[in-house]
Amino acid sequence: NAGVTQTPKFRILKIGQSMTLQCTQDMNHNYMYWYRQDPGMGLKLIYYSVGAGITDKGEVPNGYNVSRSTTEDFPLRLELAAPSQTSVYFCASSYSSGGSEAFFGQGTRLTVV
Amino acid sequence: GENVEQHPSTLSVQEGDSAVIKCTYSDSASNYFPWYKQELGKGPQLIIDIRSNVGEKKDQRIAVTLNKTAKHFSLHITETQPEDSAVYFCAAITADSWGKLQFGAGTQVVVTP
Repeated sequence: NAGVTQTPKFRILKIGQSMTLQCTQDMNHNYMYWYRQDPGMGLKLIYYSVGAGITDKGEVPNGYNVSRSTTEDFPLRLELAAPSQTSVYFCASSYSSGGSEAFFGQGTRLTVV
Repeated sequence: GENVEQHPSTLSVQEGDSAVIKCTYSDSASNYFPWYKQELGKGPQLIIDIRSNVGEKKDQRIAVTLNKTAKHFSLHITETQPEDSAVYFCAAITADSWGKLQFGAGTQVVVTP
């Protein structure tokens, strides 16, 4: 099984540009999440989804948007990139909401210059 | 909301010694406490977890203890090996949080031969 796959692995954006970070999982998980990881800060939740067509904001949603048209895919959209969005982004999925293993992708390292 | 604090931020141990990482949480409704290991350039991976109805759990060289009264939980690694070098994150989930992980800031563990 591939698990959770994120693309691209690295990206450099100029201020004001937009991009979509792709995330797909092949485990038929309903729950999917986007986190960002800043040095020394742990992982912060950006957006999450409890199933196809249902998304909600996490702790740090400003400047991002998501969609969930299928169970497998959960893309993260950055509009008008800003230097504060320089970070490593992780997509994750889990089987249940009540405490089960979350599977993480390999991450996307984004630099906004 | 839940707040998780993790200490220490860095931990250097000699190969063969034990390592202990401690976390505290704020929300008494938290009921699931996973530990993730993140190797350089990779996404976090679950290494052990514990639920609120259990005080201790062990898996070979790693163990987790939970003190619900004091709201803290700890990761213990015995007989450390160089491959244990990584960043370790504790996290907490509450039953009504849709599986959203609240992470600690992470501990960089370095095992020196």
